[in-house]
Amino acid sequence: DARVTQTPRHKVTEMGQEVTMRCQPILGHNTVFWYRQTMMQGLELLAYFRNRAPLDDSGMPKDRFSAEMPDATLATLKIQPSEPRDSAVYFCASGFINHGYTFGSGTRLTVV
Amino acid sequence: GEDVEQSLFLSVREGDSSVINCTYTDSSSTYLYWYKQEPGAGLQLLTYIFSNMDMKQDQRLTVLLNKKDKHLSLRIADTQTGDSAIYFCAEEVAAGNKLTFGGGTRVLVKP
Repeated sequence: DARVTQTPRHKVTEMGQEVTMRCQPILGHNTVFWYRQTMMQGLELLAYFRNRAPLDDSGMPKDRFSAEMPDATLATLKIQPSEPRDSAVYFCASGFINHGYTFGSGTRLTVV
Repeated sequence: GEDVEQSLFLSVREGDSSVINCTYTDSSSTYLYWYKQEPGAGLQLLTYIFSNMDMKQDQRLTVLLNKKDKHLSLRIADTQTGDSAIYFCAEEVAAGNKLTFGGGTRVLVKP
């Protein structure tokens, strides 16, 4: 079965450090979403791309977060500098419009 | 704007039917989805329904959509202990095909 691959699976970092999370979408999928999941806020949409172009990143704190798709096989989410409140599970999902989306297993980020 | 609401918790006996409810606000929703999340895992797409349909059945799963009331439900027949998980509904809206999730319903299946 085709999978969305996210790396790393777990990341523990100190406050103030840069964190980069990576996502390899399923080959051929043209839409990629980044979500953050916490107990308090649930699933929050951070950003999404279609055909590698950013469509909406209004859910992302712009001063410290950035999302890019340098090519069709890689999406990245960076946090610089990281803060304890960024601790969460970050999910990437890929798919086609109106056909459902496949989620990766997530990156569990802990900022201490 | 998009807003998707779900009840927080559902407890059901093994073998009974479960019904999970969801309401949404955006009338331009094109597709509505149900996802399942087990502990420590990502979200798994269970089923989805086009907004001009009112019902879809897929084995033990039945999705009902009342577009007038913006109400979506997922019925799981013959609920098993393996169905214990968090269930999320999500809407995909026409503008930009953005995908917005509800807060999730935790389903506990008791033997």
